[in-house]
Amino acid sequence: EMQLVESGGAVVQPGGSLRLSCVASGFIFDDYTMHWVRQPPGRGLEWVSLISWNGDITYYTDSVKGRFTISRDNTKNSLFLQLNGLRAEDSGFYYCAKDGGSGDVDYAGRGTLVTVSS
Amino acid sequence: IQLTQSPSFLSASVGDRVTITCRAGQGISSYLAWYQQKPGRAPKLLIYAASTLQRGVPSRFSGSGSGTEFTLTISSLQPEDFATYYCQQLSNYPFTFGPGTKVDVK
Repeated sequence: EMQLVESGGAVVQPGGSLRLSCVASGFIFDDYTMHWVRQPPGRGLEWVSLISWNGDITYYTDSVKGRFTISRDNTKNSLFLQLNGLRAEDSGFYYCAKDGGSGDVDYAGRGTLVTVSS
Repeated sequence: IQLTQSPSFLSASVGDRVTITCRAGQGISSYLAWYQQKPGRAPKLLIYAASTLQRGVPSRFSGSGSGTEFTLTISSLQPEDFATYYCQQLSNYPFTFGPGTKVDVK
């Protein structure tokens, strides 16, 4: 059974940093591009970033460029998102997600909650 | 690329035919996906490449369109279909989602 389990969410002050992690199982992790998608509580979805199967290619949404870094460790079936310079508008659930082959997301984890507040 | 969805909210009854529209600010060919999300849950892929049904998704869901206008249709709404629906463009980075359409009980 496919599983993606996120961790690392926390309450952090503005300007602070967090590292989110996601451990994958039930599929061949290094065959797939992976994504992060976020959602402020009660609001809509926002695509954040993706990383190619080997980590060579990354993309980010404009609002996080220069602050967030996506990475992966295929030896540990793990995906990461380093969040620096956090702002209140970065608050929300962060979902780790598997690419469906066309850029779409065909499976996502249950999410980890990031709250940026003083 | 900005996406708009209409309507934002939709009240419907079990058995109704439901249509949701997604419009893109520029042409995106068929690079569009549709998702369903229920409260407290991750989004679930329904349709990709504008009209291809994801494996395991009931056939009452269908997608159509290309270029700038797309539709998601639920042919006969079932109780488990009350949820929020999002479109997502996959043509240009950054990928973007529409604002969502909430389907609730009339």
